[in-house]
Amino acid sequence: GEQVEQRPPHLSVREGDSAVITCTYTDPNSYYFFWYKQEPGASLQLLMKVFSSTEINEGQGFTVLLNKKDKRLSLNLTAAHPGDSAAYFCAVSAGNSNNRIFFGDGTQLVVKP
Amino acid sequence: GGIITQTPKFLIGQEGQKLTLKCQQNFNHDTMYWYRQDSGKGLRLIYYSITENDLQKGDLSEGYDASREKKSSFSLTVTSAQKNEMAVFLCASSPQLGNYAEQFFGPGTRLTVL
Repeated sequence: GEQVEQRPPHLSVREGDSAVITCTYTDPNSYYFFWYKQEPGASLQLLMKVFSSTEINEGQGFTVLLNKKDKRLSLNLTAAHPGDSAAYFCAVSAGNSNNRIFFGDGTQLVVKP
Repeated sequence: GGIITQTPKFLIGQEGQKLTLKCQQNFNHDTMYWYRQDSGKGLRLIYYSITENDLQKGDLSEGYDASREKKSSFSLTVTSAQKNEMAVFLCASSPQLGNYAEQFFGPGTRLTVL
């Protein structure tokens, strides 16, 4: 089945710096991609949902890039602030995976003032 | 909007004990999921259910049972708690059949086994 590898597991940046988290996946039929944010002690909140047809997706303070050729998905926080400190998870779904989505192991991001 | 409620929020059990976790959603979603999250780790799928009375095994189903009693509720049973086990169990639901729909997560049940 699908395998999702997320890097790095831990990331520490200064306020105002960019932070990049990357996921690679194995199933070439993967078509739907998700980024979730989990603040300390809280549950997962959807940050962005990305379809395979769109390679660049912009949110508030972040950009999601999809490279289908390399099977790579990345989350780029353009100017991180302490409120961005959280765990981030990518998730990938293929059309034939029977309602499942496959999660990366997460990245613990710390943004220092 | 809607909400997912998980009970209890904290669960402390003894080794060998059978423990039940409950999840309710009022989104009217078809599909529901149970995940286990160990400290600092990702999510591992235990069971999921695509409709009432349906049950599908995930990657970590051994040692667990699940039951989808009705559309809005999905319960998980730890059949025999393991000593020193600590994890957060997350329930999620998804609005429709298909892999393009995001999952909505509950707040979690934090399990500690003494």
